[in-house]
Amino acid sequence: NAGVTQTPKFQVLKTGQSMTLQCAQDMNHEYMSWYRQDPGMGLRLIHYSVGAGITDQGEVPNGYNVSRSTTEDFPLRLLSAAPSQTSVYFCASSPRAGAHREKLFFGSGTQLSVL
Amino acid sequence: TQLLEQSPQFLSIQEGENLTVYCNSSSVFSSLQWYRQEPGEGPVLLVTVVTGGEVKKLKRLTFQFGDARKDSSLHITAAQPGDTGLYLCAGVRGNKLVFGAGTILRVKS
Repeated sequence: NAGVTQTPKFQVLKTGQSMTLQCAQDMNHEYMSWYRQDPGMGLRLIHYSVGAGITDQGEVPNGYNVSRSTTEDFPLRLLSAAPSQTSVYFCASSPRAGAHREKLFFGSGTQLSVL
Repeated sequence: TQLLEQSPQFLSIQEGENLTVYCNSSSVFSSLQWYRQEPGEGPVLLVTVVTGGEVKKLKRLTFQFGDARKDSSLHITAAQPGDTGLYLCAGVRGNKLVFGAGTILRVKS
C-alpha cells in the first residue's frame, strides 16, 4: 500500500517557469490538500479538495492552481514560479471531507527551490 | 500572525528529563491534533483530542485539551533520543486543519 505519493522529491526552477507537483493516493480518500512548510511558519494550507471536481482555497493560495479530476490525483500547479515559492510542499489526504476526528496522511514532501 | 502559537520554538534536553510543549490560541477549535515530523518526512499523527479537558496518554506522552478548547499541551516523561523531532499542533476548523509553527525537540544521550 503506497499511501500518498509525491513527485518529484526535489526540483529547482528559474523565476517565471511553470511546473506541476504531482500527488496521488491509493486509499480512496475523499479529502486531499496541499501545504507548504517554511522555517518558523509551520505548515500553511494552500488548496484543498473535499472530493473529485471540488476544490477550495486555503490560507496562501496565490500563485498556485489545483484541479481534482479523479479521486486519486490532486496536482498542484505553479503558474509562474517566484523565489517566494521556495519551500517544502506536502500533499495530505484523509478518508472523509472535514478533518474532524480524522488523521491526515502525508506524503514525504517535495523540496522546491526557485532561483 | 499564527492562529496557533506553540512554545517553546526549540528545546534541547538530556535523556531522562521531562518536558512540556504548549499550543495556544484565542480561537476555539472543534478538535486539536498533535503530529510528529522527522527530517525528510511528512508529519505523522500522534493523537486527536476532542473534548474540553480531555487527557490522552500514549506511553510516555500525555496530551491535554484545555477546558475552553483553545489550548493544548504535550508532556513527555523521561525523554529519550528517539523522541527527537518536530512536534506540531493543528486545530480543526471546518474542512481545514490549521497548524502551529512547531516545536523542535532535541534529546541528547
